[in-house]
Amino acid sequence: DAGVTQSPTHLIKTRGQHVTLRCSPISGHKSVSWYQQVLGQGPQFIFQYYEKEERGRGNFPDRFSARQFPNYSSELNVNALLLGDSALYLCASSLYGGQSYEQYFGPGTRLTVT
Amino acid sequence: AQSVTQLDSHVSVSEGTPVLLRCNYSSSYSPSLFWYVQHPNKGLQLLLKYTSAATLVKGINGFEAEFKKSETSFHLTKPSAHMSDAAEYFCVVSDNTDKLIFGTGTRLQVFP
Repeated sequence: DAGVTQSPTHLIKTRGQHVTLRCSPISGHKSVSWYQQVLGQGPQFIFQYYEKEERGRGNFPDRFSARQFPNYSSELNVNALLLGDSALYLCASSLYGGQSYEQYFGPGTRLTVT
Repeated sequence: AQSVTQLDSHVSVSEGTPVLLRCNYSSSYSPSLFWYVQHPNKGLQLLLKYTSAATLVKGINGFEAEFKKSETSFHLTKPSAHMSDAAEYFCVVSDNTDKLIFGTGTRLQVFP
């Protein structure tokens, strides 16, 4: 069975541009979460979606948005990119929402903003 | 607010010696606690989790952790380190919401 997949693997953007990151959860998983991991730090929670509804949002500006599609895949969008948005963006899927269900992480998308 | 503090940013051990990675937590609720491992260029992998059952939790690859409420600690241990254990380890807390709150990580080096 395929794990969580993310695309692209690496991305280089210029300040002010927009970026879309994609995530496909494990088959049968209905919940997707997004995390930002800045170099040398632990991942920080951005969003969680379950059954296409937003269930949680971290302390990130409105430039960050996300959505989940009927097939449970998800997109993370970031507008007006800043240098500080350079990070590894991680997607995690779980069977359902809730802390009882293990979150499985993808390999991440490395975003560099110049 | 919920948080975790990993007391060591780096830990170095010799192969075959015990490993201790320390974590203290803060939570207003009965927490769920996790340890994740991140190998270079690989995704995060769950080592073990505590969800208010047994206080001594056994995980994969010989790791275990003990939940101590009186000390608000959840330290990760392994009796004998292997070279393949070298990685970044994250202590994580989750309470009554769905989000995971990660510590800043502990880099484990294992010397031959």
